[in-house]
Amino acid sequence: QVQLQESGPGLVKPSQTLSLTCTVSGGSISNGSYCWNWIRQPAGKGLEWIGRIYASGSTNYNPSLKSRVTILVDTSKNQFSLNLKSVTAADTAVYYCARGVGLGYWGQGTLVTVSS
Amino acid sequence: QSALTQPPSVSGSPGQSVTISCIGTSSDVGSYNRVSWYQQPPGTAPKLIIYEVSNRPSGVPDRFSGSKSGNTASLIISGLQAEDEADYYCSSFTSSRTLVFGGGTKLTVL
Repeated sequence: QVQLQESGPGLVKPSQTLSLTCTVSGGSISNGSYCWNWIRQPAGKGLEWIGRIYASGSTNYNPSLKSRVTILVDTSKNQFSLNLKSVTAADTAVYYCARGVGLGYWGQGTLVTVSS
Repeated sequence: QSALTQPPSVSGSPGQSVTISCIGTSSDVGSYNRVSWYQQPPGTAPKLIIYEVSNRPSGVPDRFSGSKSGNTASLIISGLQAEDEADYYCSSFTSSRTLVFGGGTKLTVL
């Protein structure tokens, strides 16, 4: 059974970079059949897709976030990561990682608060 | 990219059926069969319940079904149960190779 687990700081200061890692277990991230996604959800609001990466390193990003987002993959550690720069309070949300175009497997989510 | 359009809320009594619509455009829902639906009970991560318009992952009850016509996808929940009370989201692949979500629908079981 594939499992995903997000990790990273729960508090980030405004203007700094938010960095999160998603560790995949129960399956290889190098499996070219799947892509690996980041999604976020502000409290009380809906889901927002941030972007995806394939094991090859190919990426696609939400146009509204593209200028601030970088997603990387580390196949040796079976992990992929999210960097979101120049954060503001509007970036405060629960951040999820998920597998596949259909988002079949999700992590439990991690709350990131942007505050000084 | 614009979010897909879902009704903010729907409700139904136990045993009844409800339908949640998901309206997109010819650049997403209308052009691809990569429409998915997710169930999110309060305080939990979303769970995939329908993929590729009408397919159910293993373990999802057959009370949940999906369909699509033109730019509109639909989730149908039949034989409503109290445990179905949750937020529901649709998503679609887009012509820009991105993913777009609907705004979410809160299902209340009366």
